[in-house]
Amino acid sequence: EPEVTQTPSHQVTQMGQEVILRCVPISNHLYFYWYRQILGQKVEFLVSFYNNEISEKSEIFDDQFSVERPDGSNFTLKIRSTKLEDSAMYFCASRDRGLGANVLTFGAGSRLTVL
Amino acid sequence: RKEVEQDPGPFNVPEGATVAFNCTYSNSASQSFFWYRQDCRKEPKLLMSVYSSGNEDGRFTAQLNRASQYISLLIRDSKLSDSATYLCVVERASKIIFGSGTRLSIRP
Repeated sequence: EPEVTQTPSHQVTQMGQEVILRCVPISNHLYFYWYRQILGQKVEFLVSFYNNEISEKSEIFDDQFSVERPDGSNFTLKIRSTKLEDSAMYFCASRDRGLGANVLTFGAGSRLTVL
Repeated sequence: RKEVEQDPGPFNVPEGATVAFNCTYSNSASQSFFWYRQDCRKEPKLLMSVYSSGNEDGRFTAQLNRASQYISLLIRDSKLSDSATYLCVVERASKIIFGSGTRLSIRP
């Protein structure tokens, strides 16, 4: 079964450092998403991405965050200057069509710990 | 008001019981609806899509009431392996929004 793969599985960083989380979506998928889940809380939408541009972003996705699809396979989330409250599980997801036509498939997540 | 609201639970029921979860959504422009399941410290996984006509997959039945902006999930003959958090998910434009989840615990 095709998978969304994420690296690293766990990253520990100091406050103020830049972090890049990487995702390889399923190969024929066209829509890409990042979500985060703070421990014990809900899964929160960050950003959706289609056709090499952001489709929609939440209020969480401020100027500290950016996404990129640098090479046609990877989809990255960059946090420019991490804060303690950025500690969370970050999930990447992809789908091959928009609007409910197909399901969101999630990666196993990258756990970010900011000290 | 939250865009997707669920009873957080926890629901603690015996094996074999029938359990029902409800979810409401606030934006009438929402277009697609799903139930996902999340095990502790794992990624969400699709349980089933939800259609206006209602749909069933084995022991699971989902219903959508667009007029009331209400989604339900019924689990019959619950198993120990059904213990998880059940996430109501609503799609609107390019956003796919998760409810905070209902925790279910099945006891032997």
